[in-house]
Amino acid sequence: GQNIDQPTEMTATEGAIVQINCTYQTSGFNGLFWYQQHAGEAPTFLSYNVLDGLEEKGRFSSFLSRSKGYSYLLLKELQMKDSASYLCAVMDSNYQLIWGAGTKLIIKP
Amino acid sequence: GAVVSQHPSRVICKSGTSVKIECRSLDFQATTMFWYRQFPKQSLMLMATSNEGSKATYEQGVEKDKFLINHASLTLSTLTVTSAHPEDSSFYICSARDLTGYTQYFGPGTRLTVL
Repeated sequence: GQNIDQPTEMTATEGAIVQINCTYQTSGFNGLFWYQQHAGEAPTFLSYNVLDGLEEKGRFSSFLSRSKGYSYLLLKELQMKDSASYLCAVMDSNYQLIWGAGTKLIIKP
Repeated sequence: GAVVSQHPSRVICKSGTSVKIECRSLDFQATTMFWYRQFPKQSLMLMATSNEGSKATYEQGVEKDKFLINHASLTLSTLTVTSAHPEDSSFYICSARDLTGYTQYFGPGTRLTVL
């Protein structure tokens, strides 16, 4: 079966760095996405990785290792507004998105 | 770029009535649109995938006669919840994928409450 695993909840301190991991087992791979979803709102696109390595975009970076079926989202200089759920999703060989359950990130002052 | 709108943002209706939700891609053409449902504190659940000009593909367990999807143009898809019941109360979110890429861009969602 297809499976995406990410931690249910994480807590971090304002100004710090946090890494949210995602491991996956899917039938085929056409890229991995990270989305941010604030409570009561729709997801917003953060990043797309299809090749191994690190993609940096401001305070957010996303890493992919296809051989390990592993990705992480790195958030630097955490701000209170970063409190949200972070969704990992993999596009399989049929170009369907397989969604993880999301990681709720709690930022404390 | 890549803006998706959804209307209405919030709707309250009586049990047994039908509700139509519109999803529009404002600055790009969307060959494929997706409809999701999300219950409080739960994951996104894909309901159906709709391709312009063809019938929608529904996920297992989603009643196609209850959730009618029409994707009449490259910028508009509609979801009609027919004969709504309180258990249909949820957050309905559409997303759209453009002709050239794989990224899904989400609309702001519609919160449906059925009394």
